[in-house]
Amino acid sequence: DVKVTQSSRYLVKRTGEKVFLECVQDMDHENMFWYRQDPGLGLRLIYFSYDVKMKEKGDIPEGYSVSREKKERFSLILESASTNQTSMYLCASSLVALLTYEQYFGPGTRLTVT
Amino acid sequence: DQQVKQNSPSLSVQEGRISILNCDYTNSMFDYFLWYKKYPAEGPTFLISISSIKDKNEDGRFTVFLNKSAKHLSLHIVPSQPGDSAVYFCAASEGGQGGSEKLVFGKGTKLTVNP
Repeated sequence: DVKVTQSSRYLVKRTGEKVFLECVQDMDHENMFWYRQDPGLGLRLIYFSYDVKMKEKGDIPEGYSVSREKKERFSLILESASTNQTSMYLCASSLVALLTYEQYFGPGTRLTVT
Repeated sequence: DQQVKQNSPSLSVQEGRISILNCDYTNSMFDYFLWYKKYPAEGPTFLISISSIKDKNEDGRFTVFLNKSAKHLSLHIVPSQPGDSAVYFCAASEGGQGGSEKLVFGKGTKLTVNP
């Protein structure tokens, strides 16, 4: 089974702090994604990566950056956390060869910025 | 502009009856559609998908129907069970070129199945 793990289930940070959210997948997937989920807004793509050191902006990249130094690991960085970044953050991965575009999700990190 | 729309934020059905969740899309380049199910405090899990070359795909109690001319798809759950209570997301993909297999998600429909 594909396993996508996220470093924390719950996180509380203060405004202005630098926040790192880590995601690891164990199935050698090429693609990795970061989303945030907010009530009434669904899942919105922040960034994605289709290879090591490669990244592309999603729909809402402002205030975020990412890092992918190894194939299995994709990090989301909040450079200076703000209260409007309080959200559920979801990491996902997918295999290019699958051709069904199915993404496998981690359990999510509930981030609260106070 | 929303490319994938789920116009019903919530749906309530009785156990044993049919649940029908709807999804509309605007981008004619979408060629693959997926449904995900999400419980609170968990990540979404893949449920069922359909390629644009088909109009129906079935997996047990779950059937997805695609009407390309209307740019509409629906998920049927028969019979509905209390454990089906979750938020359902519709998602679509234009397909991958150059490694870009992004999914566009709808806002979700919260299904409640009453015992």
